[in-house]
Amino acid sequence: AQTVTQSQPEMSVQEAETVTLSCTYDTSESDYYLFWYKQPPSRQMILVIRQEAYKQQNATENRFSVNFQKAAKSFSLKISDSQLGDAAMYFCAYRRRKTSYDKVIFGPGTSLSVIP
Amino acid sequence: DTEVTQTPKHLVMGMTNKKSLKCEQHMGHRAMYWYKQKAKKPPELMFVYSYEKLSINESVPSRFSPECPNSSLLNLHLHALQPEDSALYLCASSRSGGKGETQYFGPGTRLLVL
Repeated sequence: AQTVTQSQPEMSVQEAETVTLSCTYDTSESDYYLFWYKQPPSRQMILVIRQEAYKQQNATENRFSVNFQKAAKSFSLKISDSQLGDAAMYFCAYRRRKTSYDKVIFGPGTSLSVIP
Repeated sequence: DTEVTQTPKHLVMGMTNKKSLKCEQHMGHRAMYWYKQKAKKPPELMFVYSYEKLSINESVPSRFSPECPNSSLLNLHLHALQPEDSALYLCASSRSGGKGETQYFGPGTRLLVL
């Protein structure tokens, strides 16, 4: 069975600094997707970034980038120039590549605080 | 427009009440989902509808009854709930449910069962 682990339940970062959130996963599949979702307090969950396992290049979206290490089954999220609006719960998620629906496996989450 | 809307935002109900949660999207998505989320926990999948047909039921108790009247609308009917059912109920949608599609989440309905 696939599992997703986030070993840091809580993290904090100074505004304008860089922070890295860790995620590891376990799977026997070779083709899959990885996601980072952000859920601010009392606001809806949004996709931050996604990575397709067959792509070697690490995904980036503005200040957000990932370090995808397929062999190590590691998928960390780097947030550069942290802003107050980055404070949120961050969930790492995994999904097998299938044409029909397959369940998204979420990690337990990392709560990120941004210190002004 | 990448919006999923949910009503009501908050709901308080007694254990004998019957209520419904509503979710709507106008993105032309054909897969819609209900999740349950407890505080500081990840969402737990409850149901998946694909092309208006129930395709996944994650062994959810029968006091939760989903309904998909059309491709834009998803309801969750609640009856005889227990206090432990108090949670944030999230709706999400995606294009067709396949591959690694992005799921778009609604803001959720915060449910309190007394």
